[in-house]
Amino acid sequence: GQQVMQIPQYQHVQEGEDFTTYCNSSTTLSNIQWYKQRPGGHPVFLIQLVKSGEVKKQKRLTFQFGEAKKNSSLHITATQTTDVGTYFCAGLDSNYQLIWGAGTKLIIKP
Amino acid sequence: DSGVTQTPKHLITATGQRVTLRCSPRSGDLSVYWYQQSLDQGLQFLIQYYNGEERAKGNILERFSAQQFPDLHSELNLSSLELGDSALYFCASSLTSGPLYGYTFGSGTRLTVV
Repeated sequence: GQQVMQIPQYQHVQEGEDFTTYCNSSTTLSNIQWYKQRPGGHPVFLIQLVKSGEVKKQKRLTFQFGEAKKNSSLHITATQTTDVGTYFCAGLDSNYQLIWGAGTKLIIKP
Repeated sequence: DSGVTQTPKHLITATGQRVTLRCSPRSGDLSVYWYQQSLDQGLQFLIQYYNGEERAKGNILERFSAQQFPDLHSELNLSSLELGDSALYFCASSLTSGPLYGYTFGSGTRLTVV
């Protein structure tokens, strides 16, 4: 079946360092969505990318959708403690179902 | 407050029992999705309802069932509970039959089976 692979599973960074998580799909996606789940919280929708090669920015967060619409990345510049949580990508397949990545947990080292 | 209401927030029950989780979608949303999240794991899609009808099924066990009522609230029924059913159960809603504009999640029900 269709899969969305997300790596890494965990990333430990010092506050102020950058963070990146990557998603790769086995098939072309209609769009890709990104969600953030804070510890003890629920997933919150961050953004949606639809077009091939699309790049969107939200303050220190940069989201990219690959040219082939099979991969995506989320990059956070100069992480802050408020960025802690798990970031999920989810790709919309041809049946309009979301296929979820396993998530990348961002941990800020003390 | 996301606008999606889930009750109860916490539930502790014994193995073999049956429980019902409730979800009220955000006002105007017609689709309801149920997800299971085990400790520190990803989101496992269980089932979707759109405007009262089952739309899509994921890895939902036969012991689990759901429905969406005319007022669009939904209930997830879990029966013959096992220890492994302990998890966070999230409900999400969206305006359309597919999540074209993203989901809005509720705060979840934490189920503990003892």
